[in-house]
Amino acid sequence: DTGVSQNPRHKITKRGQNVTFRCDPISEHNRLYWYRQTLGQGPEFLTYFQNEAQLEKSRLLSDRFSAERPKGSFSTLEIQRTEQGDSAMYLCASSSFRDTNQPQHFGDGTRLSIL
Amino acid sequence: KQEVTQIPAALSVPEGENLVLNCSFTDSAIYNLQWFRQDPGKGLTSLLLIQSSQREQTSGRLNASLDKSSGRSTLYIAASQPGDSATYLCAPEAGSYQLTFGKGTKLSVIP
Repeated sequence: DTGVSQNPRHKITKRGQNVTFRCDPISEHNRLYWYRQTLGQGPEFLTYFQNEAQLEKSRLLSDRFSAERPKGSFSTLEIQRTEQGDSAMYLCASSSFRDTNQPQHFGDGTRLSIL
Repeated sequence: KQEVTQIPAALSVPEGENLVLNCSFTDSAIYNLQWFRQDPGKGLTSLLLIQSSQREQTSGRLNASLDKSSGRSTLYIAASQPGDSATYLCAPEAGSYQLTFGKGTKLSVIP
């Protein structure tokens, strides 16, 4: 059990560029979540996958954001035409499907800075 | 919409002291509540998950309690150590497997 892995750890880009983050969940965890955390705040839910199906999306996930989880394994989160307000830590979590009361395990996040 | 409040926002205690962190939430229809710690620049480490049917959950020096009807949870840390210094976050799960987080309590344990 190697934990949730996120890449890259840091991303610095110019406003208007597209960025993509990757998340590798704990093996055999079929639920995967994306959250966003800004400085001094708790994480906010963005979206949730069960296997390859995206089952829930927050209003925070604008048209510029898209998430995928092909084959129900790793997931990617893409932000198009980045804006200053996108600067944040993007966190991925995974959990087991065994029952409803399984803890979510988080990765170390990808910190995005928009210049 | 679920709202989560954590009090105090920051806490500084001498090493060895017992302490309590408070969490309140507005929607009592939750499945469970998780407590996490977050070190600077890092992700979240899960500490305890307490199910809605439970009143308490313990792990080592940590004890979490849940009063679902009043929308409150507490995290008790016994015999605090400098290594406990971190931000502690509570997060109830109220459906769709979404966690709603408070802003956290920043704990500093002074040697």
